[in-house]
Amino acid sequence: GDSVTQMEGPVTLSEEAFLTINCTYTATGYPSLFWYVQYPGEGLQLLLKATKADDKGSNKGFEATYRKETTSFHLEKGSVQVSDSAVYFCALLYPTDTGRRALTFGSGTRLQVQP
Amino acid sequence: NAGVTQTPKFQVLKTGQSMTLQCAQDMNHEYMSWYRQDPGMGLRLIHYSVGAGITDQGEVPNGYNVSRSTTEDFPLRLLSAAPSQTSVYFCASSYSLAGISYEQYFGPGTRLTVT
Repeated sequence: GDSVTQMEGPVTLSEEAFLTINCTYTATGYPSLFWYVQYPGEGLQLLLKATKADDKGSNKGFEATYRKETTSFHLEKGSVQVSDSAVYFCALLYPTDTGRRALTFGSGTRLQVQP
Repeated sequence: NAGVTQTPKFQVLKTGQSMTLQCAQDMNHEYMSWYRQDPGMGLRLIHYSVGAGITDQGEVPNGYNVSRSTTEDFPLRLLSAAPSQTSVYFCASSYSLAGISYEQYFGPGTRLTVT
């Protein structure tokens, strides 16, 4: 079945450091890939997405590129801020003939940014 | 638009009690789903619905019932609460795009504790 693997956290960085959170996936066909962010006490928010190979999703300074050859979708940001502290989830979606559009999530990576 | 709303935010139940978690969306999305979030496991799909009157099971449906009488509402019923159902529950909705990606919008979650 489909699966998503993320690097374990927590990831602790100083403000203005470079961020990479690794995400790899296994899936049949060509899923869409997503990064969601969960701030403390809140629900999940879509951060960025990519729907086909070599697509780059970007938002709020975060970027991720859909790499089919390495089955990866690593999240990067050039300079993190304290306000980026949150849990980040990588997810894939592969719609089925039944109409099921369930996201398959990684286990999440907690990012802590220190001033 | 309020987006996806969930009530209650917090709930404590005793083993064997039943209750309904409410979910509503005002975006006219045809697809709605329920996930549970457990530490270190990401989110897992409980049930989903592709439209009013149509529901189906996800990965972890046991102990839960759903119905979809309107486009807006998708309540989740716990029939006889068990400590294993202690979790954070998220409702999500989405719409169809011309391509193959389906952005999902999440509610703020309900934190349920079963003692």
